[in-house]
Amino acid sequence: DGGITQSPKYLFRKEGQNVTLSCEQNLNHDAMYWYRQDPGQGLRLIYYSQIVNDFQKGDIAEGYSVSREKKESFPLTVTSAQKNPTAFYLCASRREGDTQYFGPGTRLTVL
Amino acid sequence: GNSVTQMEGPVTLSEEAFLTINCTYTATGYPSLFWYVQYPGEGLQLLLKATKADDKGSNKGFEATYRKETTSFHLEKGSVQVSDSAVYFCALKHAGTYKYIFGTGTRLKVLA
Repeated sequence: DGGITQSPKYLFRKEGQNVTLSCEQNLNHDAMYWYRQDPGQGLRLIYYSQIVNDFQKGDIAEGYSVSREKKESFPLTVTSAQKNPTAFYLCASRREGDTQYFGPGTRLTVL
Repeated sequence: GNSVTQMEGPVTLSEEAFLTINCTYTATGYPSLFWYVQYPGEGLQLLLKATKADDKGSNKGFEATYRKETTSFHLEKGSVQVSDSAVYFCALKHAGTYKYIFGTGTRLKVLA
């Protein structure tokens, strides 16, 4: 089946730790995105990548980093500089045109 | 700047009731418009979309019409089911850009 997978589904982080969220797609899409979702709010864009080895900051990139070494993969690292990381994180990809496809999400909790 | 405004929820309906979730937008030109649905603990799924004025998107009994004159894209369904309980997001995107603008979401609860 084609789709987007995110792992893990639940992630717990101690203060001061970096953690990496995985996002993989086999849809052959060029563009990939990371969003953060907080209760009662819409999605906020963290990072965006149009092609391999290229990515741009979104609206709330501070405290996060990404890489795009392969077309299929777009991992997100939540660094210790992110002071309020507890949230639901969504990865998405986009084919040619306008439609985005989302993964199932990772819920990150800071202990 | 571009923005999307959705009606606040939760919207609570009885099964088989008529559903309307309002969405209005602010944008220059003619963006594409989308409705996404999110079930508890899951990612977003595309429900329907429209790419130009007067287009009607439809899927699974849901419909929305792109109204340029009122800058609206209201979601409707004639008869809701308990399984439609979810959060619904309206969004827009301009052609040639990368960014999507999402509304804050409207939670729908359908009671049996």
